[in-house]
Amino acid sequence: TQLLEQSPQFLSIQEGENLTVYCNSSSVFSSLQWYRQEPGEGPVLLVTVVTGGEVKKLKRLTFQFGDARKDSSLHITAAQPGDTGLYLCAGAKEETSGSRLTFGEGTQLTVNP
Amino acid sequence: DSGVTQTPKHLITATGQRVTLRCSPRSGDLSVYWYQQSLDQGLQFLIQYYNGEERAKGNILERFSAQQFPDLHSELNLSSLELGDSALYFCASSVVPGGTGELFFGEGSRLTVL
Repeated sequence: TQLLEQSPQFLSIQEGENLTVYCNSSSVFSSLQWYRQEPGEGPVLLVTVVTGGEVKKLKRLTFQFGDARKDSSLHITAAQPGDTGLYLCAGAKEETSGSRLTFGEGTQLTVNP
Repeated sequence: DSGVTQTPKHLITATGQRVTLRCSPRSGDLSVYWYQQSLDQGLQFLIQYYNGEERAKGNILERFSAQQFPDLHSELNLSSLELGDSALYFCASSVVPGGTGELFFGEGSRLTVL
């Protein structure tokens, strides 16, 4: 059972379009991270959200953490081919041994010129 | 460049064999994580070490083992390999073992079991 569900799994759009990727769970997370992974490379952190309802912007990317800290969304405005990649959300849960990150299965985004 | 180094980048072996994957964390990072990424299961947490000690265990099979050495590099040993073990294996490091700290990933080791 996947703790974090990402949707859609695949998204192919034209340059200039807007898109939203969702990350949902029935669990509460202490924080949530978004990573982007390009072919042949490891995931690279884009943002960490910590507070319920928090919104963070990174140029054309807007990240939101749900009020209940169970879900998050990533919105990209005017997508560009350079945005192509696998977007992964990862939730952190505090445990007695320290927090662990659980990753969603990812959204594969392709932005066509 | 994340500063995390993984070797080898590619490895092809046969079923039943044993392989060792190596990871050097970023300078100063004490915590090392191993993840397995396959097409059908995404990025799965295997195990975490902090300053030489096992800190957390995920979905790691008994055929797999890992350790972190005094110089903080880590090795993941995969034995009695099966076809289903074919995957990308990532190592990541962080300064601290928990909290909201960023994970820095290596480029991964692609294992193919024939």
